[in-house]
Amino acid sequence: DIVMTQSPLSLPVTPGESASISCRSSRSLYYNGFNYLDWYLQRPGQSPQLLIFVGSNRASGVPDRFSGSGSGTDFTLKISRVEAEDVGVYYCMQALEAPLTFGGGTKVEIK
Amino acid sequence: QVQLQESGPGLVKPSQTLSLSCSVSGGSISSGNYYWSWIRQPAGKGLEWIGRMYTSGITKYNPSLKSRVTISLDTSKNQFSLRLDSVTAADTAVYYCARGYPPHGYGSETYYWFDSWGQGTLVTVSS
Repeated sequence: DIVMTQSPLSLPVTPGESASISCRSSRSLYYNGFNYLDWYLQRPGQSPQLLIFVGSNRASGVPDRFSGSGSGTDFTLKISRVEAEDVGVYYCMQALEAPLTFGGGTKVEIK
Repeated sequence: QVQLQESGPGLVKPSQTLSLSCSVSGGSISSGNYYWSWIRQPAGKGLEWIGRMYTSGITKYNPSLKSRVTISLDTSKNQFSLRLDSVTAADTAVYYCARGYPPHGYGSETYYWFDSWGQGTLVTVSS
């Protein structure tokens, strides 16, 4: 299985500032011109929702404050100008091969 | 907008079978090409992919659960189901059903993301 490792575990952020989350995979997720790495946000008490697909593409309705970057085994989710509604747990997920595997999650909270 | 809703017993005894259903509304489970999936989350922990059934009926399961898990579609009820045999306390989790949407033009015929999720249902394994 591809192991996904996220850091940090917890990320306190001041509203208006930026935040970055790192995700590393045990094998390259690059294949046929795409990085099969997605980001999901699970707000408190809710189901996860898709934020970013194939590494850097924002899902429909996701604010442009969210951006994904990286390639191969190293990826980053950046949140510019954090807002209160951004609190929750962020997960990266590799979609290259089954079994699909998730990172352990990064909890973003407001200071 | 498709909506998913899990249902099933909230308490299962050890060694017995966990059975959950996911009702789909706002669209037919047999139309389109989707990956009908199950994902679980133990309390306070991360997400674990259990498996999926493609609209064609082809299944794929997490090898860690493969010998115990079955996913099936019931087109007459517009729902899909999860069966997990011989459960233990380690199977206690919130279970989510989700729809996997395969986009076109992204280099892989088997790539999909989860575009709709159920609200999740807690299943506790305890005697």
